Amino acid sequence: KNEVEQSPQNLTAQEGEFITINCSYSVGISALHWLQQHPGGGIVSLFMLSSGKKKHGRLIATINIQEKHSSLHITASHPRDSAVYICAATQGAQKLVFGQGTRLTINP
Amino acid sequence: DAGITQSPRHKVTETGTPVTLRCHQTENHRYMYWYRQDPGHGLRLIHYSYGVKDTDKGEVSDGYSVSRSKTEDFLLTLESATSSQTSVYFCAISESLNAEPQHFGDGTRLSIL
Repeated sequence: KNEVEQSPQNLTAQEGEFITINCSYSVGISALHWLQQHPGGGIVSLFMLSSGKKKHGRLIATINIQEKHSSLHITASHPRDSAVYICAATQGAQKLVFGQGTRLTINP
Repeated sequence: DAGITQSPRHKVTETGTPVTLRCHQTENHRYMYWYRQDPGHGLRLIHYSYGVKDTDKGEVSDGYSVSRSKTEDFLLTLESATSSQTSVYFCAISESLNAEPQHFGDGTRLSIL
């Protein structure tokens, strides 16, 4: 069992829909990261959080430390949001453990 | 965008040949990392460095070695490439421990035939 599990693995939605991607982790962490990987392959860090909620534009990330769970929300989704979203947990000495990613496709 | 350059971006080579991938940063960040990304596995840490000449193994380090002789350069070497090392390799950097996210390079697609 992976230490970081994401769901769903694939998600297809229509433009404008509210999107939620979930991440659960099984070990103690010091921080939780959300990353975005576009079809071209580049990886961009979206959020790093250790508690509560962070918001950037239409993206919102939340974390519940007690439940070992984080969610990434996208409001008013757009085709340009189509990408792979990756959850990663920081354990100990800067070791990042990655989920397998959620492939999001937003259709116009 | 963080100044990270990976070279080469693409490489095709034969089993048994040595391969060296280079990661160059202009951010003067202390920490540098090499990951590989494979379908069904996500990103996995190969090696990382926490300073010049200071490196440590990650979870999939067998068959790989690294060197960091300067702050800005982190080299990943496959001494004798095998087909199982066909993958996309990403370099990442971070300035401090657990205080900020890592910044990733654009990746190197390596095919071992």
